Amino acid sequence: EAQVTQNPRYLITVTGKKLTVTCSQNMNHEYMSWYRQDPGLGLRQIYYSMNVEVTDKGDVPEGYKVSRKEKRNFPLILESPSPNQTSLYFCASSRLGDEQYFGPGTRLTVT
Amino acid sequence: GNSVTQMEGPVTLSEEAFLTINCTYTATGYPSLFWYVQYPGEGLQLLLKATKADDKGSNKGFEATYRKETTSFHLEKGSVQVSDSAVYFCALTYSSASKIIFGSGTRLSIRP
Repeated sequence: EAQVTQNPRYLITVTGKKLTVTCSQNMNHEYMSWYRQDPGLGLRQIYYSMNVEVTDKGDVPEGYKVSRKEKRNFPLILESPSPNQTSLYFCASSRLGDEQYFGPGTRLTVT
Repeated sequence: GNSVTQMEGPVTLSEEAFLTINCTYTATGYPSLFWYVQYPGEGLQLLLKATKADDKGSNKGFEATYRKETTSFHLEKGSVQVSDSAVYFCALTYSSASKIIFGSGTRLSIRP
């Protein structure tokens, strides 16, 4: 089954404690992306990658890091989380210019 | 720059009512246009798409026509059901693009 998986689905953490949210896709897609969704602000892109070892900033990259060492994986790293990073996070993948496939989301709370 | 504008929600309708959610875009050239749906507690999933002018995308009773002359891609359904309650996002991208542009989303609630 074609899918994008994210882990964990829910995470509560404290300010400053480094965390990683994993994302994996099994469709051999070149393009992968991370979004955050906040009430009233819609979807905002954090980082994207157009292929292995190629990443670039989206609209709200501050406080986040990513890496793309393998085509199927695109982890999101928060080196020092802060409360304003409390949000619902989605990973997505696609062929270039085509429909995006979204993961189920990760709800992060930073206290 | 490129942008997508959707009608603001929430939109509340009774079951079997006719639905229109407006979407207009600003873009150069010929982007592909999409409607995504997000059901409660889930990620977004593609509802329908159109890749060139005058194309009509359709799925699950929903339709949208790519109108280049009015730069619009309005979503319609003839008779909505309670199960259609969700948030709907209009979006555009290009074949060689590095990103997809989303509208702000429209929350739809259907009363039994």
